[in-house]
Amino acid sequence: AQTVTQSQPEMSVQEAETVTLSCTYDTSESDYYLFWYKQPPSRQMILVIRQEAYKQQNATENRFSVNFQKAAKSFSLKISDSQLGDAAMYFCAYRSAGGTASKLTFGTGTRLQVTL
Amino acid sequence: KAGVTQTPRYLIKTRGQQVTLSCSPISGHRSVSWYQQTPGQGLQFLFEYFSETQRNKGNFPGRFSGRQFSNSRSEMNVSTLELGDSALYLCASSWGTASKAFFGQGTRLTVV
Repeated sequence: AQTVTQSQPEMSVQEAETVTLSCTYDTSESDYYLFWYKQPPSRQMILVIRQEAYKQQNATENRFSVNFQKAAKSFSLKISDSQLGDAAMYFCAYRSAGGTASKLTFGTGTRLQVTL
Repeated sequence: KAGVTQTPRYLIKTRGQQVTLSCSPISGHRSVSWYQQTPGQGLQFLFEYFSETQRNKGNFPGRFSGRQFSNSRSEMNVSTLELGDSALYLCASSWGTASKAFFGQGTRLTVV
């Protein structure tokens, strides 16, 4: 079974600064997807970024980028130019690429605070 | 395009009762998955439906069940409610297996 670990329960960043959230995972599969989701106080999970394991190039979405290290099974999220609206819970998630199921396995989350 | 819609948003039930939650996926999406979120257990996968068939099921007791209709709308049912069933229930839809999953705002269930 796959597991996802987020070792930082809470992080804090000043507005306009850069912060990196860590995520490690364990799997015996070679093909899979990794995601970062954001959950603001409204509780709706919002997809931030997706990485396909077969792609060596790190995914980027505007101010959000990942550092995907497949051999180390590490998948960190970098948020540049942090904004107050970035304050939320961030969840790292794993999904197998094989088969027909699309189950997501989530980490325990990192609460990000953004200060002025 | 409308997002994933979950109804109701909030629900209070008594122990022993049953409850039905509804999820309307994004138009054209055929896969619907359900997750339970609690402070203690985090986000846990309940089950996934694709074209009216259950494709995957998480490690939950048989009191938790679901179904999907021909228009891809899905319902989940919890019978004989327990206090521990109090949680945020999230629904996610996607077009297919490899596509991105989009979540609804969830249903907050409180069992008293």
